[in-house]
Amino acid sequence: SQTIHQWPATLVQPVGSPLSLECTVEGTSNPNLYWYRQAAGRGLQLLFYSVGIGQISSEVPQNLSASRPQDRQFILSSKKLLLSDSGFYLCAWSVGSTFTFGSGTRLTVV
Amino acid sequence: GESVGLHLPTLSVQEGDNSIINCAYSNSASDYFIWYKQESGKGPQFIIDIRSNMDKRQGQRVTVLLNKTVKHLSLQIAATQPGDSAVYFCADSSGGYQKVTFGIGTKLQVIP
Repeated sequence: SQTIHQWPATLVQPVGSPLSLECTVEGTSNPNLYWYRQAAGRGLQLLFYSVGIGQISSEVPQNLSASRPQDRQFILSSKKLLLSDSGFYLCAWSVGSTFTFGSGTRLTVV
Repeated sequence: GESVGLHLPTLSVQEGDNSIINCAYSNSASDYFIWYKQESGKGPQFIIDIRSNMDKRQGQRVTVLLNKTVKHLSLQIAATQPGDSAVYFCADSSGGYQKVTFGIGTKLQVIP
């Protein structure tokens, strides 16, 4: 069966520190992969999506970046976190019309 | 449509009543629509979907209605229960499902 792993579940980082959130998918090949952010009490904002290894589409210009070094691995990074980067980050994958979210990472920048 | 920087609208419903959650989308090319339920601190979970060649689809206690003319989607929950309290998102995508865009979300509060 297909599963999606996202870690860590919670993270507290100081302003200006780097960030690396990892997401991996099992049980499927060549999925579309996504990073969404959800600010507290607000909707889902698409940050990046990828249709293949090394292919990244950015939806919102910001100090975040994404990489897909392997078919089933999607990484969200930042060189220097801002306070406004705090939020709930969700990784998701899709194959065809099946779309599944990970459990999310709650990032607090202090 | 996009859901950036906006506070969630809230719908309060008495337990046992029916709930109707509405959503508007902007992309005329969208051909696949999904409703998700997100409980506090968790990722969104799939509820029901509908393709653009349909205008109604029913699941267990849920019904999705699609009006392509006005680009409107609704989720109806029958006999709402306390466990239905969550944030509900609609999402749409167009051919290839490469980019799935979420609506702002609606917070459903069930009053016991």
